[in-house]
Amino acid sequence: GAVVSQHPSRVICKSGTSVKIECRSLDFQATTMFWYRQFPKQSLMLMATSNEGSKATYEQGVEKDKFLINHASLTLSTLTVTSAHPEDSSFYICSAPTNMRDRGTEAFFGQGTRLTVV
Amino acid sequence: QKEVEQNSGPLSVPEGAIASLNCTYSDRGSQSFFWYRQYSGKSPELIMFIYSNGDKEDGRFTAQLNKASQYVSLLIRDSQPSDSATYLCAVNTEAGTALIFGKGTTLSVSS
Repeated sequence: GAVVSQHPSRVICKSGTSVKIECRSLDFQATTMFWYRQFPKQSLMLMATSNEGSKATYEQGVEKDKFLINHASLTLSTLTVTSAHPEDSSFYICSAPTNMRDRGTEAFFGQGTRLTVV
Repeated sequence: QKEVEQNSGPLSVPEGAIASLNCTYSDRGSQSFFWYRQYSGKSPELIMFIYSNGDKEDGRFTAQLNKASQYVSLLIRDSQPSDSATYLCAVNTEAGTALIFGKGTTLSVSS
């Protein structure tokens, strides 16, 4: 199946600093990628939709100036958490849909990034 | 507000039993339905997807969809301890759009 690689898998940063998370589609082109956030024992919540070559679309309640998304190529989307605070500590997961022959469109997930802000 | 509801569990079954996981969704326009398995600290992995009313079987897993009742379920036959995980139900209204996830049901299979 298709592969989505997310990096880093785990990061600890100081409050007030910025953290960049990368999401790459390794064997297919992704014009769209999705960024989710998951707090402990909670569901994956969609934060934003990343669109190659255009601005990201953010879900209600997600600050676009705090969570910067760049989708500069067909295989790479980045999420930068700016001025991180402890409440931003969470599991961030990217996803990219692609058309799988015989299976229709399927969403592939990156490995996730565990962000801890201290 | 589009919602996907699941019983958080935990659902505990003995090894070899059938585990039944249920999910309801609010948006009647939902077209595609997915079951993901998520181990603690890991990303979700796709177990099954179903688009049409009825049953779909894949090995030990059977997904059941009833659009009239806005209900989708996952049956796991011959449950194994390695099946112990959180099972997430997800739906979307159009191919290629973001999935809406339920909170997940934690399954524990005891040996």
